[in-house]
Amino acid sequence: QKEVEQDPGPLSVPEGAIVSLNCTYSNSAFQYFMWYRQYSRKGPELLMYTYSSGNKEDGRFTAQVDKSSKYISLFIRDSQPSDSATYLCAMTSYGKLTFGQGTILTVHP
Amino acid sequence: AAGVIQSPRHLIKEKRETATLKCYPIPRHDTVYWYQQGPGQDPQFLISFYEKMQSDKGSIPDRFSAQQFSDYHSELNMSSLELGDSALYFCASSLKLAGGNEQYFGPGTRLTVT
Repeated sequence: QKEVEQDPGPLSVPEGAIVSLNCTYSNSAFQYFMWYRQYSRKGPELLMYTYSSGNKEDGRFTAQVDKSSKYISLFIRDSQPSDSATYLCAMTSYGKLTFGQGTILTVHP
Repeated sequence: AAGVIQSPRHLIKEKRETATLKCYPIPRHDTVYWYQQGPGQDPQFLISFYEKMQSDKGSIPDRFSAQQFSDYHSELNMSSLELGDSALYFCASSLKLAGGNEQYFGPGTRLTVT
């Protein structure tokens, strides 16, 4: 079993929808949590970074962490076609990142 | 803002050849990480360096070696290449003084071994 499990998708939503992306993890040592967006054949782009349970908001993006349940989520409001990409959750205790498998999101006009 | 630079962006090699990938971190970042991403897979950690010293090692084959230089750039050397080494290789950098957990990725080097 992988240390980080991500809902595999793929997800296809209409423009303007709210998107929910989720990961669970088994390693209690993970303290820092990130969400990356990766366009095809490009490098992962850091979207959100958080280290405490609760919510963190940045524009249309909200990252949610529940350390007691070992569960993290990324919410995208008012989704746009330009949000179409692969979303990767990642986490670390310190240093090397452990990634989820990624969720392919397609937002259609 | 300056980002992580990787070169070359694309590389085609034959089996048993050698390849060298270069990474230039974001200015003032002191830590460099290397990841390998196979088709349809998530990135897998290979190795990292902090202040020119190896800080952690992941699933890096013995045929691969890496180092970080005095200007903080890093090179990943890959020898006796195999077909299975074909992948995207990413470098990421971070600043340890800032916690070191926010890693910023470069555009990657796509290695094809034929």
